[in-house]
Amino acid sequence: KQEVTQIPAALSVPEGENLVLNCSFTDSAIYNLQWFRQDPGKGLTSLLLIQSSQREQTSGRLNASLDKSSGRSTLYIAASQPGDSATYLCAVYNYGQNFVFGPGTRLSVLP
Amino acid sequence: EAQVTQNPRYLITVTGKKLTVTCSQNMNHEYMSWYRQDPGLGLRQIYYSMNVEVTDKGDVPEGYKVSRKEKRNFPLILESPSPNQTSLYFCASSLSGTVRTEAFFGQGTRLTVV
Repeated sequence: KQEVTQIPAALSVPEGENLVLNCSFTDSAIYNLQWFRQDPGKGLTSLLLIQSSQREQTSGRLNASLDKSSGRSTLYIAASQPGDSATYLCAVYNYGQNFVFGPGTRLSVLP
Repeated sequence: EAQVTQNPRYLITVTGKKLTVTCSQNMNHEYMSWYRQDPGLGLRQIYYSMNVEVTDKGDVPEGYKVSRKEKRNFPLILESPSPNQTSLYFCASSLSGTVRTEAFFGQGTRLTVV
């Protein structure tokens, strides 16, 4: 059964810092991996989608990498801003046609 | 605007009173699914549907029913809600269950069962 973990569980950084969020999964039989952002009490906003054949994707200040063989993905946020404060979730889409989510990393960017 | 719409956003109900949470998407997506989010447990999949009239259980299907009579709608039915179904529920859709596409989520339904 696929298991997804995220480290750290929470992170607090001063504004302007670059940071890395980590996601690990146990079964490499995935179609893709997706990073989401969730603000308190709100829905999920898709940030980046990496197909299983890809190594990385970039969108603005965000860069996500995928190493399928080792079961790892990282989300890199450059020059963090207070508006980046949220919970970041990674999810893998399995060959079994289901999404499995990690528990999330709660990020606080301090002004 | 492309979106997934859930209704209601907030619902308080009593144990045993049947309820339905609706989900609709306007993107002609084939794949739709329901999740619940609980503190410390994260997001867990309840049911999913690969296409019209095709549904399957996720990780936590007990106490829930779904139907997919039309492509755009995927309602979640709680026949006899219990307090342990108090949770934040999300509906999601993506273009296809077999093609590798991005998932879009609704804004969530916060359900409280007393």
